[in-house]
Amino acid sequence: QVQLVHSGAEVKKPGASVRISCMASGFTFTGYHFHWVRQAPGQGLEWMGIITPSSGATVYGQKFQGRVTMTWDTSTSTVYMDLSGLRSEDTAVYYCARELSGGSFDFWGQGTLVTVSS
Amino acid sequence: QTVVTQEPSLTVSPGGTVTLTCASGTGAVTRGCLPNWFQQKPGQPPRTLIYTTSHKHSWTPARFSGSLLGGKAALTLSGVQPEDEADYYCLLYCGATWVFGGGTKLTV
Repeated sequence: QVQLVHSGAEVKKPGASVRISCMASGFTFTGYHFHWVRQAPGQGLEWMGIITPSSGATVYGQKFQGRVTMTWDTSTSTVYMDLSGLRSEDTAVYYCARELSGGSFDFWGQGTLVTVSS
Repeated sequence: QTVVTQEPSLTVSPGGTVTLTCASGTGAVTRGCLPNWFQQKPGQPPRTLIYTTSHKHSWTPARFSGSLLGGKAALTLSGVQPEDEADYYCLLYCGATWVFGGGTKLTV
């Protein structure tokens, strides 16, 4: 069955960087786009960007440009999201979500909690 | 960046019908905005209910439907059940990037 499995929770200090992974299984990895979405405590969902492993293309949300990098590893069917210059406002649950071309979202990972605190 | 607006909260009685809407700050929502709707319950990741305006997944209850209504994307729940109490988010494709609405808290 389709699964998107996130890496574990992280605690980081302000100014540090974090790498979160999302490992896919149960489907052809290169046939889909992967989005990263975050949700601060008690807040709504925020779109961060998209990566397309088949082409290597990435598009980042304007708010995150310069701080976020999305990569992938086809050999392990894993997408990664690196966020640098962490501040307290980056404390959130970070999700990956799968999209088939044309805007068809379906499965989501369980999320990774990132806590930024001194 | 485009602002996407949803009703902050709505209340509906069990068995009733309610429509949630999703408006774009740049104009009418069209099929080209590829509207998606997600349901989120406390402590859980979002679940996709509707994709590309009106298409349902195999897990989407039949009482949920998506449409375009008056220049907005709309999610209609007919015959609301207590388990439909949740937060609902729309997502629009706005010129190479995607933007979430602020979410609607639905109380049943």
